[in-house]
Amino acid sequence: QSALTQPASVSGSPGQSITISCTGTSSDAGGYNYVSWYQQYPGKAPKLVIFDVSNRPSGVSNRFSGSKSGNTASLTISGLQAEDEADYYCNSYTGSNTLYVFGTGTKVTVL
Amino acid sequence: EVLLVESGGGLVQPGGSLRLSCGASGFTFSTYWMSWVRQAAGKGLQWVANIKQDGSEKYYVDSVKGRFTISRDNAKNSLFLQMNSLRAEDTAVYYCARVRCSSTSCFGDYWGQGTLVVAPS
Repeated sequence: QSALTQPASVSGSPGQSITISCTGTSSDAGGYNYVSWYQQYPGKAPKLVIFDVSNRPSGVSNRFSGSKSGNTASLTISGLQAEDEADYYCNSYTGSNTLYVFGTGTKVTVL
Repeated sequence: EVLLVESGGGLVQPGGSLRLSCGASGFTFSTYWMSWVRQAAGKGLQWVANIKQDGSEKYYVDSVKGRFTISRDNAKNSLFLQMNSLRAEDTAVYYCARVRCSSTSCFGDYWGQGTLVVAPS
């Protein structure tokens, strides 16, 4: 099972919106509503920010939103803030015995 | 507060063994699937293994099948990963994660801080 494809880096100025894509196949990211997104600061554990494509866990800012079209899922961060500078990973349940696959990761830089 | 604390990492020679532990608190451990996920330095996340609430189902990424064994002790709120025949490519920070299941899918909703495993080449 290959990793899902994400852009290596995305940048934006404070207040802007950015979108991170996550491209897979119909058996993972494109399949149903199995996509989640994680935020990770250097040296820290990942934190769940989106599950089931577009749902936010309690306590996560509503500046984070998710969507999916075809085999591509997306994470949008609106009103970009300095604290959003981190690595972001998508994740998808594959439905096979290899249960999960992560994306390649995207480094978000706030200019 | 959900808390996951990994331990047991360290330096091990290639071909050696190591047993990782993850202590859980702040939730009813026996009612959740649990996962191990790893991350090599400067690299992305890689799911390693999952175990069902009662330990009756276990799943592994292909690269560790036959070498790693995930297990749990619900009486002690603990998750384990027995790693045998370690290779240089197993060098990574290993995270344990609680798996939450919605009506649609399952995903890691809480993660520990990780424990470092080094198997030098």
